[in-house]
This record gives sequence, C-alpha cells and structure tokens, in this order.
Amino acid sequence: EADIYQTPRYLVIGTGKKITLECSQTMGHDKMYWYQQDPGMELHLIHYSYGVNSTEKGDLSSESTVSRIRTEHFPLTLESARPSHTSQYLCASSEFENPESGSPLHFGNGTRLTVT
Amino acid sequence: KNQVEQSPQSLIILEGKNCTLQCNYTVSPFSNLRWYKQDTGRGPVSLTIMTFSENTKSNGRYTATLDADTKQSSLHITASQLSDSASYICVVSDRGSTLGRLYFGRGTQLTVWP
Repeated sequence: EADIYQTPRYLVIGTGKKITLECSQTMGHDKMYWYQQDPGMELHLIHYSYGVNSTEKGDLSSESTVSRIRTEHFPLTLESARPSHTSQYLCASSEFENPESGSPLHFGNGTRLTVT
Repeated sequence: KNQVEQSPQSLIILEGKNCTLQCNYTVSPFSNLRWYKQDTGRGPVSLTIMTFSENTKSNGRYTATLDADTKQSSLHITASQLSDSASYICVVSDRGSTLGRLYFGRGTQLTVWP
C-alpha cells in the first residue's frame, strides 16, 4: 500500500471559510497531483507539481491554490469555500517516468468536503 | 476530443463468476492505458499499465487486454470474490506532451454478491 496521507478524511464547513487540505507522501516522489471526484464522474485534475517550488494549474484550479515547499508535502487551499466545492478531493503522487511506459499514480484515501 | 468511455456503468455478478469490463478511448497520440480499482471511500489503486506494444497484462485474477488498433481495452476478472466489489477506472495517457496527460473514464461499478 502506498504511503500517501490526506487529512482530514471528512470536513464540514460553512460558506466563506478558508480551508486547507493536507497531503503528504513518504515515497520521495517528485510528481504530485490534486484531483476532484464526484460520484459516478471522472476524476478532474485541479493542480499538479513536478517538484519543489513547481506548481501548475489543471482543469478546475481557478478557485484554489497549492504550494510545494517540501517534496513530501502538497497542501491545497480554498480561500473562500462555497457549496459548489462540495466534493471528494484526492491527492496522488508518482515517480518521474518514461512517458512511453508510464508510472502508476499512488492515491491517498481522499478528503470528503461538505460546504454548507 | 480525447475521451475514455467505459461500459457497463454498473454490473452485478455472483461470487465465483467471471466478468469483463470494457474501455473504449479516442485519445491520440496514445502512450499507455491503466486500470485502477477504487474501493468505496478509498483512493484508486493501480492494477495494470499497458503500453502500445503490450496486448495483455495480468495481475493475479485480473487480466487486462489492449487492442491499440481498435482503441479498446478490457479488464477480465476471474473467479470473483466479495472483495472485488469496487469501481474500476480506465485511464489513458497521451504523448502530446513530455509528461503526458491522463484521461479518466467514469468507471464501472462492480458488485459481487455471495
């Protein structure tokens, strides 16, 4: 089982609050990702990072920010939570890979966020 | 438009039976295809990764096949167990950029009954 941890597992918060979802991995992986997953839908990439001080936006990034100050840590921050942010947030990591052969993503168990 | 379509959307089988899940994709240029298993309330776990040159790969009772010409993949589960109940997600990577972009299917929800 992969060593990637997300906290909290569940979070219920009111509209307008600032929240930070934590993600840490102990595998020394350079690449890290944040995905959003709604029931019955495909995962959507929010942010990703190739390494320390490297962050890039994905498809759904406009209302959140990330930082990568340490290799093992990749927190996601919502400055002002809204009900539309209610979702499952999955963090993942992978080794740098041969683009042809690929390298598997190692996922955390997610944070289930509910914004009331 | 690059897409990954999975079928069926959901499937119920009896314990001990075999089943096959399908994945069709339009992603181009193709790099590799991955199958993940996601238990309820957990993150996805990698089952297999196949490149263009591979047409079959096994992981225990899971066997994935790939036909890059027809852009189809299947995941065959043999002698199903209750613990196989999960969502199975097909993911395709392209070669459009150095590090590849991943396209996710919506998954097939498999339920195994005793």
